[in-house]
Amino acid sequence: AQSVTQLGSHVSVSEGALVLLRCNYSSSVPPYLFWYVQYPNQGLQLLLKYTSAATLVKGINGFEAEFKKSETSFHLTKPSAHMSDAAEYFCAVSRRNTGKLIFGQGTTLQVKP
Amino acid sequence: ETGVTQTPRHLVMGMTNKKSLKCEQHLGHNAMYWYKQSAKKPLELMFVYNFKEQTENNSVPSRFSPECPNSSHLFLHLHTLQPEDSALYLCASSQGGGGQTVTDTQYFGPGTRLTVL
Repeated sequence: AQSVTQLGSHVSVSEGALVLLRCNYSSSVPPYLFWYVQYPNQGLQLLLKYTSAATLVKGINGFEAEFKKSETSFHLTKPSAHMSDAAEYFCAVSRRNTGKLIFGQGTTLQVKP
Repeated sequence: ETGVTQTPRHLVMGMTNKKSLKCEQHLGHNAMYWYKQSAKKPLELMFVYNFKEQTENNSVPSRFSPECPNSSHLFLHLHTLQPEDSALYLCASSQGGGGQTVTDTQYFGPGTRLTVL
């Protein structure tokens, strides 16, 4: 079975600081991994996805994530946080042959001025 | 309208009411999904449709009844709900189709915030 664990339900950073949101996955086969963002009162929007090509994946809004098989991790980073980055972030793994997404519990990012 | 739309955005209903949620996608996709998002819990996949055929029912209680009349529209009919069914219900779509790829990106609507009294 596949699963995703997001470490830290709330992360708070200062504007301009590094953003690091942690995601670890469990999968018996090579996974496909996704990060989605949800702004208040909106649906989820894809930030980036890993599909077994390059291990460093660049996404929208300056975010990137690195797939590390040895650590079973897919952490999301951004060098400099903006106030507009405040949102909830979801890591997800895709079940092979179905395309179904299994989501983590989400991490709320707070950006302080 | 572009993307995935959902109506209504907010719904309050009693436990004996019958109501329906509507989802429409304008992306030419073949697969559609219903998710339930409750506070403090991961998103839960409820139903998957591919080319109007239901391909997944994730042990959802029968008080939730989906309907997919065509690849662009998806409904969720609700009856005799419980207060614990209060949540944000999200619809999504993806390219899907035969030989659906696992890298399909899912596009989400804004959700319907449901409150059951």
